[in-house]
Amino acid sequence: DQQVKQNSPSLSVQEGRISILNCDYTNSMFDYFLWYKKYPAEGPTFLISISSIKDKNEDGRFTVFLNKSAKHLSLHIVPSQPGDSAVYFCAASAGLGGGGTSYGKLTFGQGTILTVHP
Amino acid sequence: NAGVTQTPKFQVLKTGQSMTLQCAQDMNHEYMSWYRQDPGMGLRLIHYSVGAGITDQGEVPNGYNVSRSTTEDFPLRLLSAAPSQTSVYFCASSYLGTGELFFGEGSRLTVL
Repeated sequence: DQQVKQNSPSLSVQEGRISILNCDYTNSMFDYFLWYKKYPAEGPTFLISISSIKDKNEDGRFTVFLNKSAKHLSLHIVPSQPGDSAVYFCAASAGLGGGGTSYGKLTFGQGTILTVHP
Repeated sequence: NAGVTQTPKFQVLKTGQSMTLQCAQDMNHEYMSWYRQDPGMGLRLIHYSVGAGITDQGEVPNGYNVSRSTTEDFPLRLLSAAPSQTSVYFCASSYLGTGELFFGEGSRLTVL
């Protein structure tokens, strides 16, 4: 049972436009969400996170939105740049957001390949 | 800073062989974990550890063993390799309770 789903395997965007990557989850115990970025032949790197007590978190060009009622989060990249072309994974954890004992166990989605064209 | 170091980067095994994937981190992280990445499946947790001498199973632990004798090292052992274990393996570490994992570069394993 896939508890974290990224239903779009790929997304293609023009440079300068907005990229929106989506993620849905089913486990209502998840209270902390993260996005990771992965280039070929490298390990994933942490990008941005959000706790369930918030509905938005912003870091430069990257903004993550959380809709708890819909169990949905999205990552917005504005403006998109060719260097943003990578695989993006969303991840979720239970217990991190509320000071619980999740330790750092993350459940990942399948990933979305973002291609930003010059 | 070395960060998280995995060896080997590539390995080809025959069915039934055993091997160990090595993982070392130099950030004094308490939490270490192993994930495998397969097409269409994302990253799935195999085993994790919250400190020396403490390990636990993740989502897909069958066929794998781990141990944590030091804070720095977290090796993953394949006892009897099967073609279904063909995958890219990632080791990751973090401070406890942060979720901000630092990943190694990955180890690509092919089992024939």
